[in-house]
Amino acid sequence: EPEVTQTPSHQVTQMGQEVILRCVPISNHLYFYWYRQILGQKVEFLVSFYNNEISEKSEIFDDQFSVERPDGSNFTLKIRSTKLEDSAMYFCASSDPPRWDTNTGELFFGEGSRLTVL
Amino acid sequence: QKEVEQDPGPLSVPEGAIVSLNCTYSNSAFQYFMWYRQYSRKGPELLMYTYSSGNKEDGRFTAQVDKSSKYISLFIRDSQPSDSATYLCAMKTSYDKVIFGPGTSLSVIP
Repeated sequence: EPEVTQTPSHQVTQMGQEVILRCVPISNHLYFYWYRQILGQKVEFLVSFYNNEISEKSEIFDDQFSVERPDGSNFTLKIRSTKLEDSAMYFCASSDPPRWDTNTGELFFGEGSRLTVL
Repeated sequence: QKEVEQDPGPLSVPEGAIVSLNCTYSNSAFQYFMWYRQYSRKGPELLMYTYSSGNKEDGRFTAQVDKSSKYISLFIRDSQPSDSATYLCAMKTSYDKVIFGPGTSLSVIP
């Protein structure tokens, strides 16, 4: 069964360092997402990406965040200068476009990348 | 008012019990309603989705949507220890991001 894969599974970094989290979405999907979950809190939307550009972003997704699809398979989230409060699980998700007759554009999530900022 | 509200629990039930999980929402533009299950330190996994008001059944799971009350429910029959997880309600408009509730932690005790 196709799946979304994320690397690294866990990254520890020093405050102020740059971090890149990588995702390989399901191959025929067209919509890509990053979500974040701080320990014990809810899953929060960060950004959606379609047709090689950001389609929507949340207030959390400020100038220190960026996303890129550098080739036909990878989808990355870069945090330029990490802060302590960036410590969280970061989930990548992908979906087909929703269709009224067959599906909702179900989001398929990866296992997550745990980021610890010291 | 929060966009999606959900009792965080924790909820603890004996094996075989019927579990009822609920969410309320404020945005009447939401059209798709979903329930995700999340095991500890794993990504959310879709359990059920519904579009219209009413019930949808899939095995031991029944999802219920009442758009007039802005209220959705998930029922789990004959609960099993393997059902122990956090259950996230989620919803979205037609071509929009998925918004998650905070999740309800469920433990099914053997």
